[in-house]
Amino acid sequence: QSALTQPRSVSGSPGQSVTISCTGTSSDVGAYNYVSWYQQHPGKAPKLMIYDVNKRPSGVPDRFTGSKSGNTASLTISGLQAEDEADYYCCSHTGGSFVFGGGTEVTVL
Amino acid sequence: QLQLQESGPGLVKPSETLSLTCTVSGGSISSSSYYWGWIRQPPGKGLEWIGSSYYDGSTYYNPSLKSRVTISRDTPKNQFSLKLSSVTAADTAVYYCARDIIGTPADYWGQGTLVTVSS
Repeated sequence: QSALTQPRSVSGSPGQSVTISCTGTSSDVGAYNYVSWYQQHPGKAPKLMIYDVNKRPSGVPDRFTGSKSGNTASLTISGLQAEDEADYYCCSHTGGSFVFGGGTEVTVL
Repeated sequence: QLQLQESGPGLVKPSETLSLTCTVSGGSISSSSYYWGWIRQPPGKGLEWIGSSYYDGSTYYNPSLKSRVTISRDTPKNQFSLKLSSVTAADTAVYYCARDIIGTPADYWGQGTLVTVSS
């Protein structure tokens, strides 16, 4: 199984919106509504931000939204804040296993 | 509050077996609602799912690691463990234990432990 494809980096100014794409195949992203997104600050463990494509765990701001179309999932961060600067990873169920994306560095200008 | 804590050697020699344990507090690994698994991250690189174990003992592994991985459970101690055999420098990584919910490999994470493979 190959890693999901994410852009290496995206950036935006405070208050703006950024969208991170996550492209897979009809065997993973396109096959299941089991896409999750993780935020990771340097030196820290990842934190679950979105699961089941568009569900937010308790405590995650509603500025974070997930969606999916075909073989591509997306994470949108609205109203960008300084603390959103981090690495973001998507992940998809593949039928008995999971595959992650390569990660996207989000920079707040 | 669920907490997970990894423990084990930080240095393993090439060709030997890496062994880590995850101790869970604030929740039971015997719950039928969750899986318990491992994820790793080589220094400066992305995340890689290793595998998960269910309360009934069934296991699911990354196909690329399946031949070298064993995840087991010690229910009385509320712990689960990872064994990765025949390690090489490519297995050097921060290893995280995690609670796995259906469709999502980790909703709770341990803090991670760095394992270096070197002679």
